[in-house]
Amino acid sequence: KQEVTQIPAALSVPEGENLVLNCSFTDSAIYNLQWFRQDPGKGLTSLLLIQSSQREQTSGRLNASLDKSSGRSTLYIAASQPGDSATYLCAVENSGGGADGLTFGKGTHLIIQP
Amino acid sequence: NAGVTQTPKFQVLKTGQSMTLQCAQDMNHEYMSWYRQDPGMGLRLIHYSVGAGITDQGEVPNGYNVSRSTTEDFPLRLLSAAPSQTSVYFCASSYSKSGQGTYGYTFGSGTRLTVV
Repeated sequence: KQEVTQIPAALSVPEGENLVLNCSFTDSAIYNLQWFRQDPGKGLTSLLLIQSSQREQTSGRLNASLDKSSGRSTLYIAASQPGDSATYLCAVENSGGGADGLTFGKGTHLIIQP
Repeated sequence: NAGVTQTPKFQVLKTGQSMTLQCAQDMNHEYMSWYRQDPGMGLRLIHYSVGAGITDQGEVPNGYNVSRSTTEDFPLRLLSAAPSQTSVYFCASSYSKSGQGTYGYTFGSGTRLTVV
């Protein structure tokens, strides 16, 4: 059974810092890995999707990497801003059989201090 | 606005009552799914559908029922509500690329359900 782990569970940093969120998964048979953002009381917003054949994806100040063989992904946030405060979720889509759908980590709760 | 619409946003049920959570999407996505989000557990897949008339179970299907009569709608039915079903429920839609997984995940804003 696929398991997704996110470290750290919570992070608080001053505005302007660069930071890295980590995600690991146990089964490398995946189609893709996604990073989502969730604001309190809201739904999920897709930030970046990395296909299993790709190494990284970038969108603005966000960069996500994928090392499928080691079961790891990182989300790099450059020049953090208070508006980046949210919970960040990592999810993988399995390709090795079983139920379709995404397997999520428990998230990293990020606070950017003004 | 295009996207996934969930109703209601909040609901309180008594143990044993039944209800239906509604989910509709207007992006012509063939794939739809329901997740529940509990503190300390992350999001878990309840049921999913790869197209009209086709549904299947996810990780935590017990106590829930789904049907998919149209591409747009994917309601989730609680048959006899239990306190353990207190949770936030999210509906999502996406499209598939043959042999490459599903893409374009769009989530609704959620239904916060309390069973007393």
